[in-house]
Amino acid sequence: DQQVKQNSPSLSVQEGRISILNCDYTNSMFDYFLWYKKYPAEGPTFLISISSIKDKNEDGRFTVFLNKSAKHLSLHIVPSQPGDSAVYFCAATPGAGSYQLTFGKGTKLSVIP
Amino acid sequence: DSGVTQTPKHLITATGQRVTLRCSPRSGDLSVYWYQQSLDQGLQFLIQYYNGEERAKGNILERFSAQQFPDLHSELNLSSLELGDSALYFCASSGRTSGGATEDEQFFGPGTRLTVL
Repeated sequence: DQQVKQNSPSLSVQEGRISILNCDYTNSMFDYFLWYKKYPAEGPTFLISISSIKDKNEDGRFTVFLNKSAKHLSLHIVPSQPGDSAVYFCAATPGAGSYQLTFGKGTKLSVIP
Repeated sequence: DSGVTQTPKHLITATGQRVTLRCSPRSGDLSVYWYQQSLDQGLQFLIQYYNGEERAKGNILERFSAQQFPDLHSELNLSSLELGDSALYFCASSGRTSGGATEDEQFFGPGTRLTVL
């Protein structure tokens, strides 16, 4: 039973346009959500996170939106750059006292120059 | 460079064998996590250690065990290996005693690719 789902295995976007990566979760105990980016032959790198008390968090070109009632979050990248091409993993945790991350299967983003 | 190191980078072994994967966390991080990424799968949490003590257990097989040493490095031991154990094994660390990211922001090593033939 997958508690964190990324239903799009891949996404292609033109350089300069917006990339939107989606993630759904089923466990209502999840309290803190993170996005990781992974290049081939490297470990995942932390990108941005959001607490359940917020509905938006922004960091430069990256914005994460959280819709708790729909158990849905999304990562927006604006503008997309070729260097953003990577696999993006959504992760969730119950938060304080329990730090194990539950990951989705990832979405491979390709930004076309 | 996350500051987390893992050795070896690649490991090829036969079914039935036993291997040890090693992880050195970022300087000052007290928590070490182990994850397994099989083909077409997301990262599956295996186990967490905090300052030498086991803190949380995930989908870790009984054939697998881990420990964290006084110098905070960790080892993941995989025994009676099966073909299905072939995967990428990642170590992550977090939880610096002062400053840095929050406990939830884990920093990952480059992984060890295990191939069981």
